[in-house]
Amino acid sequence: DVKVTQSSRYLVKRTGEKVFLECVQDMDHENMFWYRQDPGLGLRLIYFSYDVKMKEKGDIPEGYSVSREKKERFSLILESASTNQTSMYLCASRNRDRGRTGELFFGEGSRLTVL
Amino acid sequence: ILNVEQSPQSLHVQEGDSTNFTCSFPSSNFYALHWYRWETAKSPEALFVMTLNGDEKKKGRISATLNTKEGYSYLYIKGSQPEDSATYLCAFGSGFGNEKLTFGTGTRLTIIP
Repeated sequence: DVKVTQSSRYLVKRTGEKVFLECVQDMDHENMFWYRQDPGLGLRLIYFSYDVKMKEKGDIPEGYSVSREKKERFSLILESASTNQTSMYLCASRNRDRGRTGELFFGEGSRLTVL
Repeated sequence: ILNVEQSPQSLHVQEGDSTNFTCSFPSSNFYALHWYRWETAKSPEALFVMTLNGDEKKKGRISATLNTKEGYSYLYIKGSQPEDSATYLCAFGSGFGNEKLTFGTGTRLTIIP
């Protein structure tokens, strides 16, 4: 069974803390994505990665960075967490060969609360 | 930023009834339209990926149609069951620029037993 695994389902952090959200996929996918989901706004793309060590900004990259050192792992980093980063974070992966026609495979999400 | 809209935002349907909802997207530079189902406490899962104008896809009691010229897709659920309760997301892939998808805000469907 193919799987995208996010390291934490629920996190509570304090303002100013550094936060790491980890995502691992076992499908050998080149493309990986980080989204955040907020009520009334839908899924918004933060960053994506075409391949190892490659990254591109999505629609809302401010306050975030990412790391892709291995093909199976894509990390989202909040350098200094703020209350407006309280959200549900979703990781996804996709087979690069199918491009925009390839379905996304999602993790179960990480709900982050910043106090 | 591309505008992808879904309506209605939420919907309550009696078990056994059929229902449908809409995804509207830009009619220019179309490449692909995705539908996902997101059940509470689970991962979103792909239902359909559609690329051709007039395309119709079906999976069990769920089907979808696509009109790329006018920029809309309908998702139909026939004979709703409690397990159909979920948020349904559509995502638009543009033929312009990079390969990201733009998601709508979703339709939250609740089936009343």
